[in-house]
Amino acid sequence: KAGVTQTPRYLIKTRGQQVTLSCSPISGHRSVSWYQQTPGQGLQFLFEYFSETQRNKGNFPGRFSGRQFSNSRSEMNVSTLELGDSALYLCASSPIARLAGTDTQYFGPGTRLTVL
Amino acid sequence: LAKTTQPISMDSYEGQEVNITCSHNNIATNDYITWYQQFPSQGPRFIIQGYKTKVTNEVASLFIPADRKSSTLSLPRVSLSDTAVYYCLVGDNAGNMLTFGGGTRLMVKP
Repeated sequence: KAGVTQTPRYLIKTRGQQVTLSCSPISGHRSVSWYQQTPGQGLQFLFEYFSETQRNKGNFPGRFSGRQFSNSRSEMNVSTLELGDSALYLCASSPIARLAGTDTQYFGPGTRLTVL
Repeated sequence: LAKTTQPISMDSYEGQEVNITCSHNNIATNDYITWYQQFPSQGPRFIIQGYKTKVTNEVASLFIPADRKSSTLSLPRVSLSDTAVYYCLVGDNAGNMLTFGGGTRLMVKP
């Protein structure tokens, strides 16, 4: 099976702009989670979607949003970009909902966002 | 929400066995323990997952004592390519978000 794919891989934006990142999960996976990774804060959970519904959300401002489509593909959007939003944004898919208690997530390569 | 504590870094030499311990004192009854490996500019990669006692797969072993307040990832005979950051993650089945710990940066030297 193909792995998790994320597009674009690299992105440069300026402050105040908005950005949309895309994630295609492994075929058959219905759960998609997004993470932000920075050198200072490490891996931080953004949100999780399962069957087109947002199930969990991390402690990020409302400028960060996401959605999931019926084919399980997911997008996340960041509006009014700030310098601090520069990070590696990772998408992970899972074959089952995380409420089952296990956490075997398969991560994509990430999108490196640079905000100037 | 279970928190994890890991050493920030470890050094080893090729061919040695490496053990990385993670503390998770407030682990819940239904939580699982999962370890991930991450190379620079890549997403984390699943290594192993367990609930109690010992789990072994083709790349690692996971040891979990009876009280489950800690776990140890064991990498047999490491090579230079095992140089990476290793994350311990405790699964929370209450529907809450999952938080990765700070990770352990393993440096394998020739």
